[in-house]
Amino acid sequence: QPVLTQPPSVSAAPGQKVTISCSGSSSNIGGNRVSWYQQLPGTAPKLLIYENDKRPSGIPDRFSGSKSGTSATLGITGLQTGDEADYYCGTWDRSLSAGLFGGGTKLTVL
Amino acid sequence: QLQLQESGPGLVKPSETLSLTCTVSGGSVSSSTYYWAWIRQPPGKGLEWIAIISYTGRTYYDPSLKSRATISVDASKDQFSLKLNSVTAADTAVYYCARRPFHDSTFDYWGQGTLVTVSS
Repeated sequence: QPVLTQPPSVSAAPGQKVTISCSGSSSNIGGNRVSWYQQLPGTAPKLLIYENDKRPSGIPDRFSGSKSGTSATLGITGLQTGDEADYYCGTWDRSLSAGLFGGGTKLTVL
Repeated sequence: QLQLQESGPGLVKPSETLSLTCTVSGGSVSSSTYYWAWIRQPPGKGLEWIAIISYTGRTYYDPSLKSRATISVDASKDQFSLKLNSVTAADTAVYYCARRPFHDSTFDYWGQGTLVTVSS
């Protein structure tokens, strides 16, 4: 059971907005920055958001991140069929002295 | 452009040792500002953090794998490696290597991944 909790799946229509949550504790999200990754089918994960809310070069501003307390949220606006993928949050856990990933959320664009 | 490429056997027998190497090109494992990482993904499941290493050899391991895993770096070849001993079918996964900035837990560059199957 992953330490970081994500909903197994979310869905929305093209053009709509969706949010994906990532819940942790004071030893991980509460005290460290969060990253988000997109994994398209059959490919390696790709960095979407780092340091809670920053986008790497080339990531459209349709993708956003935020953090509050021991939870983080990924937002995607203007959904496209090409956004259908698995999304993972990740951070560091100071109690474990190791990194963590959430269990992943499958996004379906209906 | 930084590139990472995993290599190693695709099939390992139960109880034996899984050995993988990640070759870094377009950059150097000797950089003082990055850790180098192994991450795996069992078929149909989520990502699992395994271990990270700095060029000085500082290491961190997932507690559940620490007794079986060894991560190492070879700066002369711009490579880093993972050994996982006493493997079982539960270790069957796609194994990814990745780069992690020192100051953050983000993985900004990933290899394409390599499937390792544990089976007799």
